[in-house]
Amino acid sequence: EAGVTQFPSHSVIEKGQTVTLRCDPISGHDNLYWYRRVMGKEIKFLLHFVKESKQDESGMPNNRFLAERTGGTYSTLKVQPAELEDSGVYFCASSHKSNYGYTFGSGTRLTVV
Amino acid sequence: GESVGLHLPTLSVQEGDNSIINCAYSNSASDYFIWYKQESGKGPQFIIDIRSNMDKRQGQRVTVLLNKTVKHLSLQIAATQPGDSAVYFCAENMQDSSYKLIFGSGTRLLVRP
Repeated sequence: EAGVTQFPSHSVIEKGQTVTLRCDPISGHDNLYWYRRVMGKEIKFLLHFVKESKQDESGMPNNRFLAERTGGTYSTLKVQPAELEDSGVYFCASSHKSNYGYTFGSGTRLTVV
Repeated sequence: GESVGLHLPTLSVQEGDNSIINCAYSNSASDYFIWYKQESGKGPQFIIDIRSNMDKRQGQRVTVLLNKTVKHLSLQIAATQPGDSAVYFCAENMQDSSYKLIFGSGTRLLVRP
């Protein structure tokens, strides 16, 4: 079984530019989550999809972040325009059922300069 | 806000010794706890979990202890090996509501040969 795949693994962009991160969950997993770890701090929840619907987006920091999951398969997280404080590692995770532990991807390391 | 924290940011142990990583949580309503291991360049990897109706759970070389009275969680690793070197995160979840995880800031475990 393929794991959770994230692309790109690294991205360096200038302040003000746009970046789109992609996550391919484990096939058949309805639940998809985005988390991020900034400045070496704790990993923080961003949002949770159930299929194509946003179940909980309480962790999204501001309206510069837009997450989509068209068709309930892969998901994208767009940051527009990127700011310096957006630098960090963005993790995606997926699970078959919401109340089981989920599987994380390797993350996308975003550096905004 | 409610959060999960760790007492020690870095723990250095001799190979073969036992390791104990501690975590304090503040949300008494949390009923599910997980320990994750994160190696460099990888996403968090599930180690062991425990539900609030238990106070101890054992896995292969790992044991998780839960003390709900003082809201304390610990991870014990027996006969620590070089491959155990990583950052360890505890996380809590309230499975009756949102399925988001609340992570602690992490403890780095260094295993000396």
